[in-house]
Order: sequence, then structure tokens, then C-alpha cells
Amino acid sequence: DQQVKQNSPSLSVQEGRISILNCDYTNSMFDYFLWYKKYPAEGPTFLISISSIKDKNEDGRFTVFLNKSAKHLSLHIVPSQPGDSAVYFCAARWSGGSNYKLTFGKGTLLTVNP
Amino acid sequence: GAGVSQTPSNKVTEKGKYVELRCDPISGHTALYWYRQSLGQGPEFLIYFQGTGAADDSGLPNDRFFAVRPEGSVSTLKIQRTERGDSAVYLCASSLTNSVVDTQYFGPGTRLTVL
Repeated sequence: DQQVKQNSPSLSVQEGRISILNCDYTNSMFDYFLWYKKYPAEGPTFLISISSIKDKNEDGRFTVFLNKSAKHLSLHIVPSQPGDSAVYFCAARWSGGSNYKLTFGKGTLLTVNP
Repeated sequence: GAGVSQTPSNKVTEKGKYVELRCDPISGHTALYWYRQSLGQGPEFLIYFQGTGAADDSGLPNDRFFAVRPEGSVSTLKIQRTERGDSAVYLCASSLTNSVVDTQYFGPGTRLTVL
């Protein structure tokens, strides 16, 4: 049972354009959401997060939007750069438990073409 | 400062053998997590340590898997009687505390191949 879903396995965009990566979740207990970026042969690197009490969080070129009613979040990258090419994982946590393990989606491979 | 390190980076073993995978967390981080990433999947939770104790091992697939963190720093994931289905990248992550807002920092992983 996939509690965090990334339905697009891949996405290709032109340099300078906007990249939009989507994520859906089914577990309404999740209240903290994160995006990680992963290059080949490296571990995932934290990118940006958002608490469920917010609907938007921005950090430089990266903005995450959260729509709680739709159980949907998205990551916007503007402008996209070739160095952004990587696999992006959406992850979720629940603050109510004693273990803040991350539940990940399957990832979306972003390719930014020069 | 130094990040999370994992050794070995690659491990090839034969079916039925025993393997140990090591994780060195960021100094001072009390929370440590093990995840497993199979091909085409996202990382999946295995076990969580707070200090020396395994606070949650609900993600371990069966009793062939075991992990320790005897001094509250380095952790070792142990797999007995390895099977081909155990082939995956094993990722370790640490965070300063177990607060929900604390970032989990990942190591580069150990790629385990069981022949």
C-alpha cells in the first residue's frame, strides 16, 4: 500500500523553465512533508520541507506547495538548471508517533536540458 | 563537518552468507535510521535508534535482519543467510534529535548484491 505516490516516473524540461514535480499521499496522519534530491551513487540530500500548518514554503529557486484537502503537494523549481537533473523523492512524516521515520514515494527523475 | 559515512560502499556476497554493513552518523546525532532502497523504489524504513536502543524495528523484513548501536554512535546492520531478494542499497540516516522537524541526513549507502 503506497502511502506516498509520485505518479510521474520522469520529467524533462528546458533550462530556464519551471519544473513542477507532484506528490500525493493517502495517510491523513502525515503532517510534515519533505523533498529530497538524489544523484547517482549518492545518498538523498534534503531540499525543502513544509509543515501541514502551512500551504507554501519557499527557499530560493525552490517552492513547495501543500494542498491538505487534496492530499497533494508539489515542488516548483524556477528557473530550472542542468545541475538540477536528479531523482526527486517526496517524503512524509507523522509527528504524533515516537518514531519520525520517513515514508517515501518512488521518485521522479528530472532531466533539465541545456 | 563530516557527513554520514557508510562502509563498504559495495558488497557482493553469495546466497546464504552473513554480511555486516556499517554506518557512522554525524557526530552528536542521537537519532539513527536504516532504510533500504530497491531498484525503482523509494527508500523504505527498516529500523530506528534513539541513543543505543532500537526504538522501532517494525520495518525489518524478518528475523534474518538485526542491527545494533552499542555506544550510541556507530551502527551495524547484520543480515544472516542472505537471499537474492536482499539485494538493494542500504541507506543510513542520522538526525540531531528525533524531533519531527529535524532533518535526516543520509549517507551514500551500501550497495549489496547477493549472487
